[in-house]
Amino acid sequence: NAGVTQTPKFQVLKTGQSMTLQCAQDMNHNSMYWYRQDPGMGLRLIYYSASEGTTDKGEVPNGYNVSRLNKREFSLRLESAAPSQTSVYFCASTLKPPDTQYFGPGTRLTVL
Amino acid sequence: GENVEQHPSTLSVQEGDSAVIKCTYSDSASNYFPWYKQELGKRPQLIIDIRSNVGEKKDQRIAVTLNKTAKHFSLHITETQPEDSAVYFCAAPGGSARQLTFGSGTQLTVLP
Repeated sequence: NAGVTQTPKFQVLKTGQSMTLQCAQDMNHNSMYWYRQDPGMGLRLIYYSASEGTTDKGEVPNGYNVSRLNKREFSLRLESAAPSQTSVYFCASTLKPPDTQYFGPGTRLTVL
Repeated sequence: GENVEQHPSTLSVQEGDSAVIKCTYSDSASNYFPWYKQELGKRPQLIIDIRSNVGEKKDQRIAVTLNKTAKHFSLHITETQPEDSAVYFCAAPGGSARQLTFGSGTQLTVLP
């Protein structure tokens, strides 16, 4: 079992560029999440998918979109990157909330 | 939604001493309280959790206590070791999908 995987590990963008962060889990989990982590601010929820076919906004959704492609995959898209989106992004999944969330290794994104 | 406050933001202890981190939450319906440990450059990983039907749970040197009346829970680490140095996050569920809201984190440093 690979658990939760994310690509890419690192990315540098220029302001206005777009990109998609990929996340996949092989644990047959129902719920998946995208968080961003900034110094001193903990983990803030961007979007989540409670089950296949559904997505909902979290605490900080502005500037992002998501797609739950199937039960395994949940992607996060930045349509027009801004320096304020410089952060570390984590994907996570759980079988049935509230329960243990398993995190991916993270993507470190820098927007210049 | 859920509001989780975590204190202190930084904590330094001598090796062998105990460390205590406290969190308060706002949603009285919350029934699951996990603690995550994040080492530098790594993903958060669950170290212990507690459900609202018990007041305390122990796992070797770590324990979590819950006071539902006061709406707070605490992480206790005894006989601290250098490998305990990390950032610790508490969390509590809220919202219709019981998604987790994380505290802002505590940087624990164990001094040799």
